[in-house]
Amino acid sequence: QSVLTQPPSVSGAPGQRVTISCTGSSSNIGAGYDVHWYQQLPGTAPKLLIYGNSNRPSGVPDRFSGSKSGTSASLAITGLQAEDEADYYCQSYDSSLSWVFGGGTKLTVL
Amino acid sequence: EVQLVESGGGLVQPGGSLRLSCAASGFTFSSYAMHWVRQAPGKGLEYVSAISSNGGSTYYANSVKGRFTISRDNSKNTLYLQMGSLRAEDMAVYYCARDGGATGGGAFDIWGQGTMVTVSS
Repeated sequence: QSVLTQPPSVSGAPGQRVTISCTGSSSNIGAGYDVHWYQQLPGTAPKLLIYGNSNRPSGVPDRFSGSKSGTSASLAITGLQAEDEADYYCQSYDSSLSWVFGGGTKLTVL
Repeated sequence: EVQLVESGGGLVQPGGSLRLSCAASGFTFSSYAMHWVRQAPGKGLEYVSAISSNGGSTYYANSVKGRFTISRDNSKNTLYLQMGSLRAEDMAVYYCARDGGATGGGAFDIWGQGTMVTVSS
């Protein structure tokens, strides 16, 4: 299993708000390492969505936001749209000198 | 345009070898650390390997240590992954990714399109 734990799936209706959690430990998120989020649309490469816990790269809509507290982080998506249907991954760094990913969360827009 | 383009994937027998390449363009390649990440069919992302901007430091996941070698040629703006003693569990799409560095919080800000490695007899 992955070092970072994410729910396998979440869903929401268009226009709604959904959150995706990412739970780590004292050796990664809890040690102060930044959390990043990636969006992977079907059949495509991952794309950086949130970096440094809560920062959006240029071009990412402000419907996407990130937060971090303690040993966990969250990705929130407001005003859900059909095009948001994708897999989402969190990532951090671990004190074992390794970059680590969450297992991924499949977002379904109902 | 900032871009990473992988190549070199294909079908290889168990125990065989393969070298992946990742050609960078649109940015100063020699200023960035680089990574390889893989994704088995229907599975999540798995971290594979990293190399510093000058190639002086490397890192490998335990799953590939001793079998894979990461390297780079900054004069050719190219990242490599030499894979040996390949196993069925190495079958995946392999992505190269740029490390955004301190300004990017260490996130992987640019990804290639991926190259598929199939391990089968």
